[in-house]
Amino acid sequence: DAGITQSPRYKITETGRQVTLMCHQTWSHSYMFWYRQDLGHGLRLIYYSAAADITDKGEVPDGYVVSRSKTENFPLTLESATRSQTSVYFCASSSPGQYNTEAFFGQGTRLTVV
Amino acid sequence: RKEVEQDPGPFNVPEGATVAFNCTYSNSASQSFFWYRQDCRKEPKLLMSVYSSGNEDGRFTAQLNRASQYISLLIRDSKLSDSATYLCVTHSGSARQLTFGSGTQLTVLP
Repeated sequence: DAGITQSPRYKITETGRQVTLMCHQTWSHSYMFWYRQDLGHGLRLIYYSAAADITDKGEVPDGYVVSRSKTENFPLTLESATRSQTSVYFCASSSPGQYNTEAFFGQGTRLTVV
Repeated sequence: RKEVEQDPGPFNVPEGATVAFNCTYSNSASQSFFWYRQDCRKEPKLLMSVYSSGNEDGRFTAQLNRASQYISLLIRDSKLSDSATYLCVTHSGSARQLTFGSGTQLTVLP
């Protein structure tokens, strides 16, 4: 099915473990983004990518790594999970367009670090 | 100071009421503006874009004041199904980044 999908939807992990959140889109959108959403902070940008092999830091990149070897995939890795990374993570994609470009979001991954 | 500021609410209004949300942004380089809607525990979805001339989509009216860096959303004749969090969003064109406000929670009561 066309769209943007995230996996897993729910994840519980222990402090110090490496965790990878997957994001896959079928529209061939150039731009992809990772956001985290926390109470009181709203959605904050972690990393974004303008195209395959092009990534850049957002507002809160520390503790995260991304890669984009293929246009359709944009995995997010927590190298050594900490409790402060407990959050809801949203992946999004959009197509190039100068103005009023809609971003489409995946359903989110709820991550709990214990 | 946050780049996009919204009144968090919550706004609790009766069905049929008119409710207005306001938002201010600090990045004068912002090029595009949106309202997104987020239902509880779901992903954000685009509600409408916001144009300088103001725009309307059914019961929803959005306004932009670039001089004051102010965005508004008016919902007329509120429905129960309008209950959600409304996110004010700006777009920085160079990096295609969307910057979100923290959202305003709306509950429409029967």
